[in-house]
Amino acid sequence: NAGVMQNPRHLVRRRGQEARLRCSPMKGHSHVYWYRQLPEEGLKFMVYLQKENIIDESGMPKERFSAEFPKEGPSILRIQQVVRGDSAAYFCASSPPRTYNEQFFGPGTRLTVL
Amino acid sequence: AQSVTQLGSHVSVSEGALVLLRCNYSSSVPPYLFWYVQYPNQGLQLLLKYTSAATLVKGINGFEAEFKKSETSFHLTKPSAHMSDAAEYFCAVSFNAGGTSYGKLTFGQGTILTVHP
Repeated sequence: NAGVMQNPRHLVRRRGQEARLRCSPMKGHSHVYWYRQLPEEGLKFMVYLQKENIIDESGMPKERFSAEFPKEGPSILRIQQVVRGDSAAYFCASSPPRTYNEQFFGPGTRLTVL
Repeated sequence: AQSVTQLGSHVSVSEGALVLLRCNYSSSVPPYLFWYVQYPNQGLQLLLKYTSAATLVKGINGFEAEFKKSETSFHLTKPSAHMSDAAEYFCAVSFNAGGTSYGKLTFGQGTILTVHP
């Protein structure tokens, strides 16, 4: 059973561009979480999604950030008009139904904004 | 609201020595507690978890942790450190409030473990 997959692993964008980060959960997992790891700030929850639904987006910045988990395909974290402060490692985690509290993490996408 | 405090951002031990990484939590409802390990430029790997069963939890790589409700602690230990244990360790808390927050994890700031030969 393949683990959680994230791509790209490294992403470089210039200020003002868009960044799209993709996450494919483990087979059979229907819950996806996104976390951000900023330098010197630790890991922070961003958003929790189930298929076609955003369950909890309390950690998402109010502007420029959005997430989706369509019926088919990976979950996408989208950052519009990136700024240097968006440079961070973004981790996706997934969990199976009815085992909400066991999350399996992907390798992360390291976003660098020039 | 939940929170996690990891005491000591850096811990250094000699190979073969006891490893003790401290974690205290705050939660208004019974918590679920986790320890994750992160190697450089990699994702997080679950070491062990407490989900209201046995208070002494054994994990992978010889690690274990004990849930102490009276002390609101969940310290991670390993009797004998190995060079390969050098990494960053995160304590995390979550809870199921029957409809809110679900499995959202709140992490501590992390503890970097260094193992000296």
